[in-house]
Amino acid sequence: EVQVVESGGGLVQPGGSLRLSCEVSGFTFGNYWMSWVRQAPGKGLEWVANIKQDGSERHYVDSVRGRFTISRDNLKNSLSLQMNSLRAEDTAVYYCASGFCTGDVCYRSSFDYWGQGTLVTVSS
Amino acid sequence: QSALTQPASVSGSPGQSITISCTGTRSDVGTYNLVSWYQQHPGKAPKLIIYEAIKRPSGVSNRFSGSKSGNTASLTISQLQPEDEADYHCCSYVGSSPVDVVFGGGTKLTVL
Repeated sequence: EVQVVESGGGLVQPGGSLRLSCEVSGFTFGNYWMSWVRQAPGKGLEWVANIKQDGSERHYVDSVRGRFTISRDNLKNSLSLQMNSLRAEDTAVYYCASGFCTGDVCYRSSFDYWGQGTLVTVSS
Repeated sequence: QSALTQPASVSGSPGQSITISCTGTRSDVGTYNLVSWYQQHPGKAPKLIIYEAIKRPSGVSNRFSGSKSGNTASLTISQLQPEDEADYHCCSYVGSSPVDVVFGGGTKLTVL
């Protein structure tokens, strides 16, 4: 059974930092691109960042580049998101999501396994 | 990189068909067939229902189908059922931009 579990969310003041973690089991973590996707209250999904299977390539949405850092540990089947200089507009549920693989093809921009999300609230 | 454009809401009656559009640009939808669609029920995580614009993952009902023409991708749900009421999100690979992926704003489907 596939399990994706995020943790680390909470209430933080503007300008503060938070580190999100994602632990996975039930699939071969090292074979997948991994992403963080967020959803502000009552809004649509927003892709935040992704990281290649071996960690050699990372991409970020413009609004978080330079403030957030995505990383992974394939030995521990874990994904992290270090969030610095947080702003009110970063308030959202943050989902950890894997790419999608079928046969020998893996897609980094299609998302198969999702966690239930962790809520980050940036407020004074 | 701007979000893809989706209608805020659509509605249909049980048994009918509906189509949700997702409009991008030549930089994303228009160049790549890497469009995916997600169904999201309230308080739940999204579920992948279409990938590569027209393909269904194993286990997804064939009532869901995808298409693409130019800069616009579409999701069609046929034979609407009450449990189809949910939010639907489209997503596209962006490619050469530093931004890798972009989502649409989401569409609320109401089954009347």
